[in-house]
Amino acid sequence: ETGVTQTPRHLVMGMTNKKSLKCEQHLGHNAMYWYKQSAKKPLELMFVYNFKEQTENNSVPSRFSPECPNSSHLFLHLHTLQPEDSALYLCASSPQTGRIGDIQYFGAGTRLSVL
Amino acid sequence: KNQVEQSPQSLIILEGKNCTLQCNYTVSPFSNLRWYKQDTGRGPVSLTIMTFSENTKSNGRYTATLDADTKQSSLHITASQLSDSASYICVVRNDYKLSFGAGTTVTVRA
Repeated sequence: ETGVTQTPRHLVMGMTNKKSLKCEQHLGHNAMYWYKQSAKKPLELMFVYNFKEQTENNSVPSRFSPECPNSSHLFLHLHTLQPEDSALYLCASSPQTGRIGDIQYFGAGTRLSVL
Repeated sequence: KNQVEQSPQSLIILEGKNCTLQCNYTVSPFSNLRWYKQDTGRGPVSLTIMTFSENTKSNGRYTATLDADTKQSSLHITASQLSDSASYICVVRNDYKLSFGAGTTVTVRA
């Protein structure tokens, strides 16, 4: 295991639902990331947190709302999603942002299907 | 156009055979290049990292090469095993961000 745990592993939701994805890391890292992975496309960075502060939001629609209560936990709150939001959502962590040699450790992801 | 292009998109090889995956990038300035392996149902896991001055780096049966002049990298898998079936992602870093390739899906058949 990588030390990064994501729940749930699979999620099916309607366009009017509200749900949340959870990520927890046990590596003592201070940076956490949300990525979207669609089939045959590169990973898309969504949000970055460093020491609980959001440092990056890559023009993500407001129907995705991140929350980072502490350096070990990261949430992605979802509401009124669209079918094109169906994808694998990956969480990652690293010691901190901005250090060139740091490795990002990824969770197994949440497979999201929006009906 | 993506700054990191990988080829082929997918390939099928017989167990025990070798294969080579390609990664071409336009990211500048270059800091490092990393190859990740992503098993089905799992997140990506780092295989190797290469900096500007490194030409070759091995991790078991995986050997990565880097030509910083032509901005090309390759990942060579030797004596493939069924467990090598996965997606392999090339990630290039400049000073402040990572650029991801779309990945090459490798299927190893018995």
